[in-house]
Amino acid sequence: GQNIDQPTEMTATEGAIVQINCTYQTSGFNGLFWYQQHAGEAPTFLSYNVLDGLEEKGRFSSFLSRSKGYSYLLLKELQMKDSASYLCAVSANTDKLIFGTGTRLQVFP
Amino acid sequence: DGGITQSPKYLFRKEGQNVTLSCEQNLNHDAMYWYRQDPGQGLRLIYYSQIVNDFQKGDIAEGYSVSREKKESFPLTVTSAQKNPTAFYLCASTPGLRSGEKLFFGSGTQLSVL
Repeated sequence: GQNIDQPTEMTATEGAIVQINCTYQTSGFNGLFWYQQHAGEAPTFLSYNVLDGLEEKGRFSSFLSRSKGYSYLLLKELQMKDSASYLCAVSANTDKLIFGTGTRLQVFP
Repeated sequence: DGGITQSPKYLFRKEGQNVTLSCEQNLNHDAMYWYRQDPGQGLRLIYYSQIVNDFQKGDIAEGYSVSREKKESFPLTVTSAQKNPTAFYLCASTPGLRSGEKLFFGSGTQLSVL
C-alpha cells in the first residue's frame, strides 16, 4: 500500500529553526514534493527532491533519503508568516501525487 | 498571465442537487486533477485525467463525475449521491508528474450544504 506520515501539529518561536519530518512507503518512487498551504488557500510549491541529499533554497531546505523512505523540511529564521500547513507528497511511478495529511505549524512571537 | 482558474470561490448545494465546479487552465498542461480537502486534513484524489477524453478514478470517486472534452477544461460535478460534500475542492494541473514536474493549483472552491 501507499502511506505517508507527518506529525499533525508543531509549534515554534519566531526566529527559531524547525524541522518537519515525513516518512513514506510507496510502490515505486519518482520524487518527493513539499508544499506550503495557508488556511483557505491553494498549496504553493516549496521544493522537489529526487536524489538523496539536501536541497537548499533560501530559508527553506529539504532533505531526502530514498533508502530510508524519509524526508524533512527545514525552516530557518522563522517568521510569523510561516504559520501554515506543510504538505509532503510523493510521486510514485504513477500519474498521481500522493499527499500526507499535512503538518500544521504555528509560529509564536 | 498563464494559470489555473477555479470558479466559483464559494458554492452552496441544496439536498438532492447536483452542482458543477469549474476548472480552466491556459498552461497547455496535459494532466489535470481534482482533490478534496476536509478541515485539518490532507488532499485526497477524486479524479484525474492525462489526456483529452480520458480520465481515471482516484481514491474517493464515488458521488462525483468529471469530463475532459477540452484540454483546457476539467469540470467536476458533485452529484446527489455524495452524502457529505462539504469540503474545499482543489483543481491542479501539470505537464507530467513522471518527468518531475510539479502540480500547479487553482485557488479552490469551498462547497457547503444548505
